[in-house]
Amino acid sequence: GAGVSQSPSNKVTEKGKDVELRCDPISGHTALYWYRQSLGQGLEFLIYFQGNSAPDKSGLPSDRFSAERTGGSVSTLTIQRTQQEDSAVYLCASSPWTSEYNEQFFGPGTRLTVL
Amino acid sequence: KQEVTQIPAALSVPEGENLVLNCSFTDSAIYNLQWFRQDPGKGLTSLLLIQSSQREQTSGRLNASLDKSSGRSTLYIAASQPGDSATYLCAVQTGANNLFFGTGTRLTVIP
Repeated sequence: GAGVSQSPSNKVTEKGKDVELRCDPISGHTALYWYRQSLGQGLEFLIYFQGNSAPDKSGLPSDRFSAERTGGSVSTLTIQRTQQEDSAVYLCASSPWTSEYNEQFFGPGTRLTVL
Repeated sequence: KQEVTQIPAALSVPEGENLVLNCSFTDSAIYNLQWFRQDPGKGLTSLLLIQSSQREQTSGRLNASLDKSSGRSTLYIAASQPGDSATYLCAVQTGANNLFFGTGTRLTVIP
């Protein structure tokens, strides 16, 4: 079946503009995660959604970052007033999240460049 | 906070050689450990997942081991091929939520 998809694959924006990144998880997966991979850095967790529970936003770096998940499926990560340090690859993952098995499946990522 | 370290940062081997990639983590209270492969400009491909109650997993030429008490995992690649060239990441899950990633080992297999 289809894997996790993300759009756009590349986004170039000017400093100060807002951007929206989209993630379509694997159908039936209840858990959805956003990560960021900056140049020369490891992947860092941003936010986690599980079913209808309140999201875990503990990884969001500032209040310019927010995310929504509509209908328990598609998610949008929004970055307001982008800064150059926001340039990174943003990766989305989903998992079936059972108590016994929680493998995360990743999308191809969105490469964000802030000029 | 969980810290994940991967050694070496980069590795070059001739084709056909067996090799071992190392991963260590500071908090042994993990839920599971995953090994991923990342090709340049691409997302992550899951290779193996080891639950905290398991000691190893095998898939084809890949074997991953887990020693939770010592905070270590290894990924063994047998009979390496040029197509194995990629960055290999290990990640541990310490709850229901996020993965903590290492910074990866960049592997080059020379034909």
